[in-house]
Amino acid sequence: GNSVTQMEGPVTLSEEAFLTINCTYTATGYPSLFWYVQYPGEGLQLLLKATKADDKGSNKGFEATYRKETTSFHLEKGSVQVSDSAVYFCALSYNQGGKLIFGQGTELSVKP
Amino acid sequence: DVKVTQSSRYLVKRTGEKVFLECVQDMDHENMFWYRQDPGLGLRLIYFSYDVKMKEKGDIPEGYSVSREKKERFSLILESASTNQTSMYLCASRTGWGNTEAFFGQGTRLTVV
Repeated sequence: GNSVTQMEGPVTLSEEAFLTINCTYTATGYPSLFWYVQYPGEGLQLLLKATKADDKGSNKGFEATYRKETTSFHLEKGSVQVSDSAVYFCALSYNQGGKLIFGQGTELSVKP
Repeated sequence: DVKVTQSSRYLVKRTGEKVFLECVQDMDHENMFWYRQDPGLGLRLIYFSYDVKMKEKGDIPEGYSVSREKKERFSLILESASTNQTSMYLCASRTGWGNTEAFFGQGTRLTVV
């Protein structure tokens, strides 16, 4: 079946460090891929998305590239801030009747 | 500003009680979802609805039912609450499928004692 696997957390970084959160998926065909972020005490909100192979989604300094050959959608940011501390979820969805399927979530903690 | 509103942030119920969790969206979205969020398990889909009075089971529907009598409202019902249903419940809505953005409520933290 379709699934999403993320690297386990928590991930703890110092401010201005480089961030990578790995995400791989198992799916048939060509799903759309998403990263959602959940700040403390809040619901999820869309961070970025990519809808076809080799697309790069970007927002707020975060980037992720849809890699069909490695079935991956890793999240990266060149210099994290304390305000980036949150839980990050990778997800996929199909165009026809598609559920939104989430990974386990990765908690990021950024220290000053 | 788009909004998905869940009726309660925190709820404490007793084992065996019938529990209603309400969700309302103001975006005229066709599709609405109920997830539960547990540490280490991410978000798991309980039920979703793609139109009024239409519903489909998600990955963990046992012990739950849903109701969608109006387009803007999607209710999750715990028929007889049990302690293993203690969790964070998240409602979401979106228009269409595929690459459209889903909007989430703030969640309801349910504790069953």
